[in-house]
Amino acid sequence: ILNVEQSPQSLHVQEGDSTNFTCSFPSSNFYALHWYRWETAKSPEALFVMTLNGDEKKKGRISATLNTKEGYSYLYIKGSQPEDSATYLCASRGYQKVTFGTGTKLQVIP
Amino acid sequence: DSGVTQTPKHLITATGQRVTLRCSPRSGDLSVYWYQQSLDQGLQFLIHYYNGEERAKGNILERFSAQQFPDLHSELNLSSLELGDSALYFCASGAGVDTQYFGPGTRLTVL
Repeated sequence: ILNVEQSPQSLHVQEGDSTNFTCSFPSSNFYALHWYRWETAKSPEALFVMTLNGDEKKKGRISATLNTKEGYSYLYIKGSQPEDSATYLCASRGYQKVTFGTGTKLQVIP
Repeated sequence: DSGVTQTPKHLITATGQRVTLRCSPRSGDLSVYWYQQSLDQGLQFLIHYYNGEERAKGNILERFSAQQFPDLHSELNLSSLELGDSALYFCASGAGVDTQYFGPGTRLTVL
């Protein structure tokens, strides 16, 4: 992996469903992995920052895991709500650079 | 409200002109990052300053420059503007590898 890649690009789920997205990043020169939530017409809002292999973070119904050896992170949303609808961005921070993925756009249908 | 302020909110200018975007970080944050979001692209990292010193450069054009002042506010200067420079420019502040807090952005339109 040379760039930060996120999948899927977009996702529609029913209210109450649980869902997860993937962020793949170069495992070399890795410093930290950030997850952001970005609602339309607003600024990205920080969710998590993780640095160590095996890190798990949780904030309410949202949690994330990190595997630095294989270069991926998962974001999980349990019991999706309409207000969770947003684009979820991950960003890999190397020693010098920050590289963002293109995001996963989540639409939660009531 | 993240505590990061950016001015102006909107800027409309002509090709060939020069503009300055301003960012004030959250109180206590020493780092300022600049990002560009064009219509057809995701967030692109431009440059990072820490306590007045340039720390890292991303995809920043030679026509663009930035600086961070002793009071920690930062300015991004864009010169010889082209149509393709039209974008949303965000700054974010933070400390170390910690969370970055994004400002509301400056929308630049080059006509």
